[in-house]
Amino acid sequence: DAKTTQPNSMESNEEEPVHLPCNHSTISGTDYIHWYRQLPSQGPEYVIHGLTSNVNNRMASLAIAEDRKSSTLILHRATLRDAAVYYCILRDPLETSGSRLTFGEGTQLTVNP
Amino acid sequence: ETGVTQSPTHLIKTRGQQVTLRCSSQSGHNTVSWYQQALGQGPQFIFQYYREEENGRGNFPPRFSGLQFPNYSSELNVNALELDDSALYLCASSGDRVLGSPLHFGNGTRLTVT
Repeated sequence: DAKTTQPNSMESNEEEPVHLPCNHSTISGTDYIHWYRQLPSQGPEYVIHGLTSNVNNRMASLAIAEDRKSSTLILHRATLRDAAVYYCILRDPLETSGSRLTFGEGTQLTVNP
Repeated sequence: ETGVTQSPTHLIKTRGQQVTLRCSSQSGHNTVSWYQQALGQGPQFIFQYYREEENGRGNFPPRFSGLQFPNYSSELNVNALELDDSALYLCASSGDRVLGSPLHFGNGTRLTVT
């Protein structure tokens, strides 16, 4: 599985934007970039995914580098509820075990009031 | 729309015992997978079930086994429990086996082996 690298922790203030980076220099041409987050005492929650173009949804934006070797998850206005571990995951849609996600250790985001 | 539910939420077992964890998939989802999450680490893929058959497995021994039922609910069974099996066990469902639709996770079962 292609590997992703994320900072162990990041800190933000409430209502400010947050940019969570992810490096994936060995990404293959068919890998999608997925982001999940895990709030305390809960299971992981899907946030967003993309292939080449930047993506937006109600939760966040995903900015993907032109060479696809890195990406950034953008939370436009952090709230206290966004405090969680954020996981950047590469996912091959052609893999037989489509539910196999390879989680790293993720980035622990702390949001200060 | 009902989400993924898991039972029980917490469980304490003794080394050597057997345990069964249960999961009800989100409505309309035909694929279920199980993950083990040790404290402070990311979840690790155990296996996936589609149409009641296992069709993908992570690096876990055969004493980890599962079932998927016609209504797409699922069980995870662990035999001969070891202390290292203490972890949060997560169930996830999705609407297709391969095409990469997002996974929907339950909140897990916290298993403690003493």
